[in-house]
This record gives sequence, structure tokens and C-alpha cells, in this order.
Amino acid sequence: QQQVKQSPQSLIVQKGGISIINCAYENTAFDYFPWYQQFPGKGPALLIAIRPDVSEKKEGRFTISFNKSAKQFSLHIMDSQPGDSATYFCAAIYQGGKLIFGQGTELSVKP
Amino acid sequence: GAVVSQHPSWVICKSGTSVKIECRSLDFQATTMFWYRQFPKQSLMLMATSNEGSKATYEQGVEKDKFLINHASLTLSTLTVTSAHPEDSSFYICSARDREGGRTQYFGPGTRLTVL
Repeated sequence: QQQVKQSPQSLIVQKGGISIINCAYENTAFDYFPWYQQFPGKGPALLIAIRPDVSEKKEGRFTISFNKSAKQFSLHIMDSQPGDSATYFCAAIYQGGKLIFGQGTELSVKP
Repeated sequence: GAVVSQHPSWVICKSGTSVKIECRSLDFQATTMFWYRQFPKQSLMLMATSNEGSKATYEQGVEKDKFLINHASLTLSTLTVTSAHPEDSSFYICSARDREGGRTQYFGPGTRLTVL
């Protein structure tokens, strides 16, 4: 019940395309859902986050869509660029709880 | 934004020696810091939660006598890998919460440990 399931495991997108990564959770106590971007050999960097009372949040080319009833959320990267090539992790947490990570998605944006 | 640093960024040591990794929150005070371990192509695995001024809370399966954690101040937590062995070789990453009860964790750049 503490798991966050992330898909796909890897993703190849052409430059300018839309990258979509999906996550699903079971624990309805989760109340904060961040996305992290990690480059090889570096620590994860907070990209964007959402709370379940919001259905969508956009920051630049990055958008989180949140479906509370389905217990699913997704990251959309518009106009994907080669510099976006990295591993993306969704995560979930509730107050007093631990940050639970998805399995990660390795994104490769081809020029 | 909140910045977390780690030192060293990489370390190579001989089997049987101990290695200390520092994690610092540079522009905020962190009452709680976290230590993670990450193997290649895998997600982050929480090892322990470090609270300033108290004992760390270790996750199931993590040897507390092998991975010593000290959170001596609001800006510094250390992880000491004692009597390191090759199987301890990994990428160790710390994170810090920027306020009490906050959800957001900011991660350090990680430390690559290689045990020969």
C-alpha cells in the first residue's frame, strides 16, 4: 500500500515531442506528490510538485496532471529537448511519513 | 532555493576502513535529514532518518552499527560507513526538509563510494 508504481521504465522521444510519465498509488493518506529529475552521477532535483486538491499544475514546459479518484498522476514534458534526457522519479508523501519513490523512468530525447 | 551539499563527492577506500560522508544544508536549518542509497539504474532506498539532537531511525534491514549517523547541528548530518566492504560500494545521497512538518525534501549531489 506504500508503493508508488511508475511507468514506463524507459522512454525515447524525439526533440520537440511530448514526454509522458505515469504514476499510480494506493495509499490515500498521501497528500504531496513531487517529481524529481536526476542526471547521471548527481542527486535528484525537485522539478515540480502537486497536492491532491489540484488537478493540474504547470511550470514552464512541465505539467503535472492529477486524478484523485483514480489515484494516478502524470508528468508531461512539452517540447522535449535533449537536455531533458535524465531519469525522472515520481514520489509521494504524507505528513510524518516517508518519501516513497517510484521506480524511475529513464528519458532519452533524440535530436 | 534550498541547497544541500555533500562532501566528499567521491571516495575510494580499502576494505576494512571507515568512511565519513558529510551532508550540510547551506541556506536553511534542517531538523530532519535523510540518508539514501542508490544502486545503478535503481530508485533511491531510504536508509535512515536523522533528527537533530537525537538518535537516527533506521529502516528495516539497515545495520545501525555499520552505518553510523550523527546529526550534531541543524545544518550538518554525517554518515560513517564503518569497516567498509566492497558490497557497500554505492551512491549515497542525503536530503533535508526545509521546515518542521514540511513535505519537500531537497537532495544533495550524492557521494560515490568505492570500496576496493
